[in-house]
Amino acid sequence: GQSLEQPSEVTAVEGAIVQINCTYQTSGFYGLSWYQQHDGGAPTFLSYNALDGLEETGRFSSFLSRSDSYGYLLLQELQMKDSASYFCAALNQAGTALIFGKGTTLSVSS
Amino acid sequence: DGGITQSPKYLFRKEGQNVTLSCEQNLNHDAMYWYRQDPGQGLRLIYYSQIVNDFQKGDIAEGYSVSREKKESFPLTVTSAQKNPTAFYLCASSPYRAAPIEGANVLTFGAGSRLTVL
Repeated sequence: GQSLEQPSEVTAVEGAIVQINCTYQTSGFYGLSWYQQHDGGAPTFLSYNALDGLEETGRFSSFLSRSDSYGYLLLQELQMKDSASYFCAALNQAGTALIFGKGTTLSVSS
Repeated sequence: DGGITQSPKYLFRKEGQNVTLSCEQNLNHDAMYWYRQDPGQGLRLIYYSQIVNDFQKGDIAEGYSVSREKKESFPLTVTSAQKNPTAFYLCASSPYRAAPIEGANVLTFGAGSRLTVL
């Protein structure tokens, strides 16, 4: 089966950099995705890493190491609006549907 | 604007009653999904469908049923057999057939339906 582990909570201050880690155990692996969800809202897609390395999209970057079964989401120049839950996700063994980690709640303070 | 519409946003149900949650998309996506979210549990997959008239069970399908008669619609019925139905239900879609692996990673979600059993 698939399992993805990530920390439950992370706190940081405005302007700082924070890294949210995700380790996974999967029967088949097709890459790692990240989603953001504000309280009470719908999750929104942030990034997808199919290959090893760093993908950068503005203030957010995502990294994948297949050999270590590990990835992370890096958020730079934190803003209050970045306070949200962040989920890593990977496809199921058949490659047909996403399985999500339990999420990391990021709290950004001033 | 293209998107996913879920209704109702809030729903109250008495124990023993079935309830159907609506999910409609106008993104022309082939695949649709239902997830359940409980506090501290992340998103858990209930059912998904990659094509009309076909669907597959996810990790927590017991007590739920779905249908996919039209590409745009994927309703979820929460039956009386679901022991703990109070939760936030999220519907999503993806352009799976256009790009099977990459597409299945990029989900568009609806705003969700919050079901409370009284």
